[in-house]
This record gives sequence, C-alpha cells and structure tokens, in this order.
Amino acid sequence: DSGVTQTPKHLITATGQRVTLRCSPRSGDLSVYWYQQSLDQGLQFLIQYYNGEERAKGNILERFSAQQFPDLHSELNLSSLELGDSALYFCASSRRRDRDNSPLHFGNGTRLTVT
Amino acid sequence: SQQGEEDPQALSIQEGENATMNCSYKTSINNLQWYRQNSGRGLVHLILIRSNEREKHSGRLRVTLDTSKKSSSLLITASRAADTASYFCAPLADRGSTLGRLYFGRGTQLTVWP
Repeated sequence: DSGVTQTPKHLITATGQRVTLRCSPRSGDLSVYWYQQSLDQGLQFLIQYYNGEERAKGNILERFSAQQFPDLHSELNLSSLELGDSALYFCASSRRRDRDNSPLHFGNGTRLTVT
Repeated sequence: SQQGEEDPQALSIQEGENATMNCSYKTSINNLQWYRQNSGRGLVHLILIRSNEREKHSGRLRVTLDTSKKSSSLLITASRAADTASYFCAPLADRGSTLGRLYFGRGTQLTVWP
C-alpha cells in the first residue's frame, strides 16, 4: 500500500461531460503529481502541485485543470470530455519539491471511460 | 526529450532466467529511478541510482548507470512469475525546465513463464 488514495476507481461518462478525480497524498508528502496513461500516449506527466501551489505543467490540455487544497489533497477536473480522454489517471506524491532524491508514491489510479 | 526510453519493448523469459532491461536518456541527471507496474495498477518504486553512482543492488535487482553514455540497465536475477510486469525508467533532470519532474517512457513489458 503506497498510502496514496485515489477516488473513484472507475468512472464512465459521456462525451461533453465534466468529471472530478480526487487524490489524497501519502501522509507528510507535500508534492502531488498527476499522470495520464493511455495505450497510444504512454504515461504522460500532466501537472505538479507543491504545498498548494502549481509547480509545473506538462502535457495538460486546457480543458483540464487541477488544484491542491490546504489539507494537501488534490483534484483533477476534466471538462468537455472527448473519447480520447479515456485513460488511467494516476496521482503520485513525494516529500520534496525539486532535486528530489525521494521516490514518487503512486495511487492505483482512476480508470476513466468516455462513451 | 526529458523521458527515458526503455529497450526492449517486450521481453519473455522462463522462471529462473535473468532479465535485463535497458534505458537511454538525453538530459543531464540528478538521479535515475526504476519503477514497476503490474497490470492496471499504480507504479511502484524499485530503486534509485544517483548520478555519481555506477552500480546499485537491492535484493535480486541490480542497476547500473553510465552517465557518459546516458544509459542505465536493470537486471533481475533468478526471475519469478511474479516479476511479470511493466518496468519503467525515469531520469530526474538536474537543471532546466524539467527540474524535479519525472517523465516516463513506454516501459518494458516483462513476461516470466512458469
């Protein structure tokens, strides 16, 4: 058990809809990362938050947004969903911000299916 | 590209054999990490090797790093069916816009047959 909790485990929704994925990081971890994994794109880094502030953006679409709350949990919001957004979405956490020699701890992901 | 690229894409071996996976990268790194992913699950950290280290061991795992060639290898000795998984390398850049972020390649899919 990594200590990172993601909910829900599965989500099925229609095109055009909006969903929110939730992540609770491991106790004591201040950084939260979101990744998207699909068959055609592999594992893509989306965005990182550190102690409530956005730290870095990767290949995140404008239709997607995220935030990290004061209790350090994070939410990834996906809107105007398209079929191609179907993927596994992972949250990971770590202790420090940069030059990090501590590993990432991954949750078990949310499987999103857009129909 | 800031990510590692694993080779081969797929590897199929018998239990008891050794499995070797390779990783190449293009950036200057602080460290390089290897992760494992069982089907449909989250990635699990296996081992981290710092840029000033050349070899590291953890149980049946041996990782080497050659910063001059920008490459790393992961050796799993005496493999077991339970080692069946995808393996990813992730170089951690030590400078530039990707500082602090881990970027993953497509991984090596290892299948170990009983």
